Amino acid sequence: NAGVTQTPKFQVLKTGQSMTLQCAQDMNHEYMSWYRQDPGMGLRLIHYSVGAGITDQGEVPNGYNVSRSTTEDFPLRLLSAAPSQTSVYFCASNPRGSEQFFGPGTRLTVL
Amino acid sequence: AQSVTQLGSHVSVSEGALVLLRCNYSSSVPPYLFWYVQYPNQGLQLLLKYTTGATLVKGINGFEAEFKKSETSFHLTKPSAHMSDAAEYFCAVRNPNAGGTSYGKLTFGQGTILTVHP
Repeated sequence: NAGVTQTPKFQVLKTGQSMTLQCAQDMNHEYMSWYRQDPGMGLRLIHYSVGAGITDQGEVPNGYNVSRSTTEDFPLRLLSAAPSQTSVYFCASNPRGSEQFFGPGTRLTVL
Repeated sequence: AQSVTQLGSHVSVSEGALVLLRCNYSSSVPPYLFWYVQYPNQGLQLLLKYTTGATLVKGINGFEAEFKKSETSFHLTKPSAHMSDAAEYFCAVRNPNAGGTSYGKLTFGQGTILTVHP
């Protein structure tokens, strides 16, 4: 199993550009989540999904969209990038009742 | 709402010394508790977790943590630090009574960077 994979590893955007961060898992996990990590703030939940076709907002959802058309994939879309979205983004997945498994992260810089 | 506080953003110990990383939580019900470790430029890896049962939990790499309900704490310890323990450590909680949606939602502390000196 590859586990949780994220692409790209690094990305630089200009303010106002849009992009999609990809996340995939091959463990048939029901739950998938997106977090952002900022220094001194830990990880904060952006959006999460409890199954294909079902998503909900987390703590910091503004400026981000998600969809979950398959069990395996959970892309995160930045609609119009802002410097405040400069961060490291982590995708995680888990089966019901278990801990979350994290991907390697995407480091995003918005100029 | 739940919250997690990790006391000390930086902890420095000598190799062979005791490691103690503090975590206190705020929750209306006893939560599920987790400690994760993050090595530089990597994702998070689970060290240990508490859900129910024995309050002293043993994890990987010689770490353990004790759930103390009366103190709302879940401190992480290791008797003897190794250089390889240098990393950032995160405490996280999940509300076990929030229904099925709670399984995808963790609340994290701010993180503690552990430095180990030779």
